[in-house]
Amino acid sequence: DQQVKQNSPSLSVQEGRISILNCDYTNSMFDYFLWYKKYPAEGPTFLISISSIKDKNEDGRFTVFLNKSAKHLSLHIVPSQPGDSAVYFCAGRGSGNTPLVFGKGTRLSVIA
Amino acid sequence: GAVVSQHPSRVICKSGTSVKIECRSLDFQATTMFWYRQFPKKSLMLMATSNEGSKATYEQGVEKDKFLINHASLTLSTLTVTSAHPEDSSFYICSASGQVPSYEQYFGPGTRLTVT
Repeated sequence: DQQVKQNSPSLSVQEGRISILNCDYTNSMFDYFLWYKKYPAEGPTFLISISSIKDKNEDGRFTVFLNKSAKHLSLHIVPSQPGDSAVYFCAGRGSGNTPLVFGKGTRLSVIA
Repeated sequence: GAVVSQHPSRVICKSGTSVKIECRSLDFQATTMFWYRQFPKKSLMLMATSNEGSKATYEQGVEKDKFLINHASLTLSTLTVTSAHPEDSSFYICSASGQVPSYEQYFGPGTRLTVT
């Protein structure tokens, strides 16, 4: 049972345009959602998070939107830069210090 | 953000030997550390959760006698792969979380284990 789904394995975007990465989840007990960026042979790097009581969180070029009724969240990157090319993982977790449940990732390629 | 280190970054060992991987939180106290494994082109699979001073909690299907986890201090957890076999070859990643805001997990850079 895949609790966190990233249905697009890859995405290509022109430099300067907006990148939108989507994530769906099934576990209504998730309390917190996080996005990580990962390069090959490296650990994931934390990008941005959002609490389940909010619908938007913004940090610089990165904005995460949460639609609880649809059990859907998205990460917007604008403007996209070539250095943003990486695999992006969406993750959810329950309340407190509990393990993250990851999606399978979306590979973003930003083309110059 | 918080910094987590892993050592070694890459290790090659012979089948039947044991390998120890260290995970350290460098600038914060990690009450909880998590160990993940990533197969090629797959997501991160949680292996176990370890809390400082107590036994690790293993995920279903993960052999606790094969993957020994010790979390002896608030800054160090170790994963020992005992009697390694080629199928244990993988990318192992730890993460640490503490009282940092909202229990964000910070990941180490990973350890590439190759068993020959």
